[in-house]
Amino acid sequence: DIQLTQSPSFLSASVGDRVTITCRASQGISSYLAWYQQKPGKAPKLLISAASTLQSGVPSRFSGSGSGTEFILTISSLQPEDFATYYCQQLNSYPITFGQGTRLDIK
Amino acid sequence: QVQLQESGPGLVKPSQTLSLTCTVSGGSISSGSYYWSWIRQPAGKGLEWIGRIYTSGSTNYNPSLKSRVTISLDTSKNHFSLKLSSVTAADTAVYYCARETYNSGWYADPWGQGALVTVSS
Repeated sequence: DIQLTQSPSFLSASVGDRVTITCRASQGISSYLAWYQQKPGKAPKLLISAASTLQSGVPSRFSGSGSGTEFILTISSLQPEDFATYYCQQLNSYPITFGQGTRLDIK
Repeated sequence: QVQLQESGPGLVKPSQTLSLTCTVSGGSISSGSYYWSWIRQPAGKGLEWIGRIYTSGSTNYNPSLKSRVTISLDTSKNHFSLKLSSVTAADTAVYYCARETYNSGWYADPWGQGALVTVSS
């Protein structure tokens, strides 16, 4: 199985901050990586596919980069509604796997 | 737009079979090149991919669950189903269904709202 390791697991930040979340794959997955945002009691919401393709309706302050084994999700200027848990997911090979999640809290 | 909705018993006894259905609205489950998938999330924990079924009916399962999982498609009812046999308390989780689409890369969108299944006697 391909393991995805997100760092950090917990992140405390303030409104307006720039934050980055890293997702490292145990082996190369090309650009077959997606990022999701999940709020308590809700289903995950797709933010980015193919490592860097921003989904329609997702604010431009979100961006994704990387390929191979290292990927980054960047939020350029945190807004109150961005405090949530973020997951990366690889869809390169079976079984499909998720990172353990990064919880983003208000400082 | 396509929407997904999970349904099924919220309480299952240990050793029995968990059965959930995901009803698709706003589009046909048999059209297009999509995978229809199941993902679960124990309370306070991360996401685990269970498996998926293609519009042709071919399936892929997580090896960790493969011996207990069956995913099927019912095009007449426009829904797909999950069966997980011999459940234990460790199978207690919110179960999500989702559609996997390819556009430069695969991704899961949309998702259902989730169904909580508790395994308890």
